[in-house]
Formats: sequence, C-alpha cells, structure tokens
Amino acid sequence: SQTIHQWPATLVQPVGSPLSLECTVEGTSNPNLYWYRQAAGRGLQLLFYSVGIGQISSEVPQNLSASRPQDRQFILSSKKLLLSDSGFYLCAWSVSLDQPQHFGDGTRLSIL
Amino acid sequence: SQQGEEDPQALSIQEGENATMNCSYKTSINNLQWYRQNSGRGLVHLILIRSNEREKHSGRLRVTLDTSKKSSSLLITASRAADTASYFCATDAERNNDMRFGAGTRLTVKP
Repeated sequence: SQTIHQWPATLVQPVGSPLSLECTVEGTSNPNLYWYRQAAGRGLQLLFYSVGIGQISSEVPQNLSASRPQDRQFILSSKKLLLSDSGFYLCAWSVSLDQPQHFGDGTRLSIL
Repeated sequence: SQQGEEDPQALSIQEGENATMNCSYKTSINNLQWYRQNSGRGLVHLILIRSNEREKHSGRLRVTLDTSKKSSSLLITASRAADTASYFCATDAERNNDMRFGAGTRLTVKP
C-alpha cells in the first residue's frame, strides 16, 4: 500500500534562517506531488506541484522554493524565512491531477 | 486562489442529527471532491463526484452535485461525536487542471 511521510511534525525557526521540509512517498511510481500551506482555521493554499522529476509548478510567488530530486521525494525550501511563513505545511500525492490526493500529517512551522 | 467556498463556516449539532454542508464554485469543473481534516492532521479524502454525476453515496455520506448552480452538498446522516472535524470541498477546474480547496466547514457534533 502507498504511504506518505512528512517531517518534521513541528519546527520552530528564527526569522532569516533557512528551511528544508521533506516529503517522501512509498508504494507508487511517478506520483503527482503537492505542497500546501494552511493558515490557522483556513483552507489550503497550493504552493507548488510536480508531475515528474525536476518539474515544479509554482502557484504563489514568495520566498519559498520546491525541488523534486527523486521520483518520490519532494522538498520545500527557503533561504531566509519571514514571519509570514508561519503555518501548517502539508504534502500530498495523487495518481494524476484529477484524482484524490493523499496527505501527510503536516509540519507546523512557527517563526520567531 | 480558492475555487470552492463552503457554507456554513461552522456548524454545531447534536449526535444523531444530520449535518449538511454546501460548496459553491465559480468555473466549470471536471470533478469535485470532499475531504475531512481532524484538528492538526492532514486531510483525508471522502468522496469524488464527476461533473456528469448528480449523486454519490459512501456509508453515511451523501454528496450531490448541481453543475447548473455550480454547487455541491455533503450530507452526513446520523452524526457521531467522531465526525467532529473540518470538511473541505476541492474542485478540479477544467481550465487549471489542478485542485483548489475551499476554506472549509468546521463541524462540531456534541455527544
């Protein structure tokens, strides 16, 4: 069966520090991968999605970036975090863009 | 940007009652999905309904889709305290071909 792992579960970082969040999927090949951010009590904002290795589509211009170095690995990065980067970050995968998405348990990021 | 908008934003009911949540969207879609999120966790997929379907059932869940009104509803029958969660609709717009989530309905089921 397919599983998705996302870590860390919580992270506290100072303003201006770098960020690296990792997401890996097991049990499937060539998944579509997604990064979302969710503000407290709000819906999901799509940040990036990828349909294949090295292919990244960015939805919102900001100081975050994403990379897909391997088929089932998706990384969210920042060189310098801002206070506004605080939130709940969710990784998800799907078989294709119009199929159900399967989510990780999220990373709660707090910027001090 | 969001495509679907859920209504109401929050809903509180007693155990055993039915809960109805609505979702409206703006552009033509290929399909619409409903997800559930327990506090502090990832989303869990509930039901996918395609644009050529009008109704789907899964256990105590019933989803309807009215493409002429660009709206969908999620009905949870005989609710339980464990149904307490936020519920989101997500649409796969024909134009964008990616999923867009609404802000969600926060459902509280009181025992």
